Amino acid sequence: AQKVTQAQTEISVVEKEDVTLDCVYETRDTTYYLFWYKQPPSGELVFLIRRNSFDEQNEISGRYSWNFQKSTSSFNFTITASQVVDSAVYFCALSDTNTGNQFYFGTGTSLTVIP
Amino acid sequence: KAGVTQTPRYLIKTRGQQVTLSCSPISGHRSVSWYQQTPGQGLQFLFEYFSETQRNKGNFPGRFSGRQFSNSRSEMNVSTLELGDSALYLCASSPSTGTSGDGEQFFGPGTRLTVL
Repeated sequence: AQKVTQAQTEISVVEKEDVTLDCVYETRDTTYYLFWYKQPPSGELVFLIRRNSFDEQNEISGRYSWNFQKSTSSFNFTITASQVVDSAVYFCALSDTNTGNQFYFGTGTSLTVIP
Repeated sequence: KAGVTQTPRYLIKTRGQQVTLSCSPISGHRSVSWYQQTPGQGLQFLFEYFSETQRNKGNFPGRFSGRQFSNSRSEMNVSTLELGDSALYLCASSPSTGTSGDGEQFFGPGTRLTVL
């Protein structure tokens, strides 16, 4: 069965601090895809990144970086030098070849950046 | 390119009524998926349509149905509304044409449905 766990329900940090959002996934498939989305108060889910199961390279995009470790089934997301605009709910999601384009989402982590 | 649009943005209905929500995908995207988001259950997959055919369906009762038109626009319908159907309904489109799960999905702003 597919499952995504985001154990951190809420995180508060002071502006300019670094913060890491954890994501642990479960799937029996050897080919799968992991995603991170940001949901600001407006409600729209904003796509941040996609990673496939064959690519364990970490990725950096500006202040964002992602650490994918198959050995621990984790796909963690780090925001460096956080800003108030980073305040949002962040979701990790999983899809695989067994379930097609159906995404399994974690319960989300609500991040508040305090100025 | 314009993003995914959903109408209406807000809707208030009473128990027993039915409702139809609309979604226009990003131009060129033929895959459209629907999700229900509630505080208690989080984001749950409803169904996916591709080229006017339902390709995948989540674990929801038959009161939830959908369709897709030849221009890829999609509608979802909920009949005999219950209080528990109050939720944010999100539509997503994807450039993916296959079913391997590799395509990112782009979400619309959602329709906030309140059932009284």
